[in-house]
Amino acid sequence: KAGVTQTPRYLIKTRGQQVTLSCSPISGHRSVSWYQQTPGQGLQFLFEYFSETQRNKGNFPGRFSGRQFSNSRSEMNVSTLELGDSALYLCASSLENRVQETQYFGPGTRLLVL
Amino acid sequence: AQSVTQLGSHVSVSEGALVLLRCNYSSSVPPYLFWYVQYPNQGLQLLLKYTSAATLVKGINGFEAEFKKSETSFHLTKPSAHMSDAAEYFCAVINGGYQKVTFGTGTKLQVIP
Repeated sequence: KAGVTQTPRYLIKTRGQQVTLSCSPISGHRSVSWYQQTPGQGLQFLFEYFSETQRNKGNFPGRFSGRQFSNSRSEMNVSTLELGDSALYLCASSLENRVQETQYFGPGTRLLVL
Repeated sequence: AQSVTQLGSHVSVSEGALVLLRCNYSSSVPPYLFWYVQYPNQGLQLLLKYTSAATLVKGINGFEAEFKKSETSFHLTKPSAHMSDAAEYFCAVINGGYQKVTFGTGTKLQVIP
């Protein structure tokens, strides 16, 4: 079974631009969660989607948004990029994201904002 | 809200020595606790998780962790370190009914030959 895939793996943008990152979950998984990893703030939960609905949300500004498609693939968008948005963005998938399940992480998209 | 604190951002051990990575949690309800490992330029991999079934949890790659309620701890151990164990380790706790995960700040493990 193919693992979680994220595209692109690396991205360079400038301040003020917007960016869209993609995550394809493991086949059959309906839950996708997104995390931001930075040296200063560590790993922080962004949001989780299940069956095309946002089910959980972290403490990030409205510039960060996401969506999930009917095939469970998910995208996250960051508008009006700031230097502080430079980070590794990780997505994780699971069947239904219940506690007894295991979340499987993708390799991440490394975003650099100049 | 639940939280975890990892003591020591960097830990160095000799190959073959005991690995001990410390994690303390804060929770008003019985927590669900996890240890993840991250190798350079990779995502996270689940090592083990505690979901109240047993206090001693065995994971992959020879790691285990013991849930101690009296000490609010969930330390990760491995009897004998291997060079391939060099990575960053994250302790994590779940907030809410679904896996809205809160991570610790991470501990980088260095294994010295």
